[in-house]
Amino acid sequence: AQSVAQPEDQVNVAEGNPLTVKCTYSVSGNPYLFWYVQYPNRGLQFLLKYITGDNLVKGSYGFEAEFNKSQTSFHLKKPSALVSDSALYFCAVRDKAEYGNKLVFGAGTILRVKS
Amino acid sequence: EPEVTQTPSHQVTQMGQEVILRCVPISNHLYFYWYRQILGQKVEFLVSFYNNEISEKSEIFDDQFSVERPDGSNFTLKIRSTKLEDSAMYFCASSPGQSGVKPQHFGDGTRLSIL
Repeated sequence: AQSVAQPEDQVNVAEGNPLTVKCTYSVSGNPYLFWYVQYPNRGLQFLLKYITGDNLVKGSYGFEAEFNKSQTSFHLKKPSALVSDSALYFCAVRDKAEYGNKLVFGAGTILRVKS
Repeated sequence: EPEVTQTPSHQVTQMGQEVILRCVPISNHLYFYWYRQILGQKVEFLVSFYNNEISEKSEIFDDQFSVERPDGSNFTLKIRSTKLEDSAMYFCASSPGQSGVKPQHFGDGTRLSIL
């Protein structure tokens, strides 16, 4: 069965500093990996995905994520945080080896960027 | 940019009553999904729908739940006899293809409160 772990409930960072939101996954086959962001009273907004190819993927709003197969990780990063990046971030996985399209989500990490 | 729209934004229902949550997926998308998020918990997969039939469902999606695409635009989730534990945020999502390659796009959700 597939699973996702986001080990930090909350990450605090000062505006202008780099940020990292951690994600590790477990699948039986190869993963499709996604990051979504949720602002208050809104749905999940797609940020970026890893399907295959380059381990460093770039997405919306200056975010990027690095796929590390040996560490089964897919950490979200941004070189310079903005106050407007403050939100709830979800990592999700789909196992290529499993039938179906369901996404399995992590518990989410609250990112707080302070000015 | 096209969006997934959900109505109503908030539904309050007495326990034991039937409730229908409505979604309009993005028009050229072929795969449709329902997820739910109980307050403070993970986003959980409920069901996926493709080609006018359920393609996958989770253990949560028992006989009290059903989905329908009554016309070319709407996608509904019905709960026949609501329980207190059905209180959650329900998200509809759609994707043009299998979510491994194309990301799922989420609506803003319907907050379901069972009294």
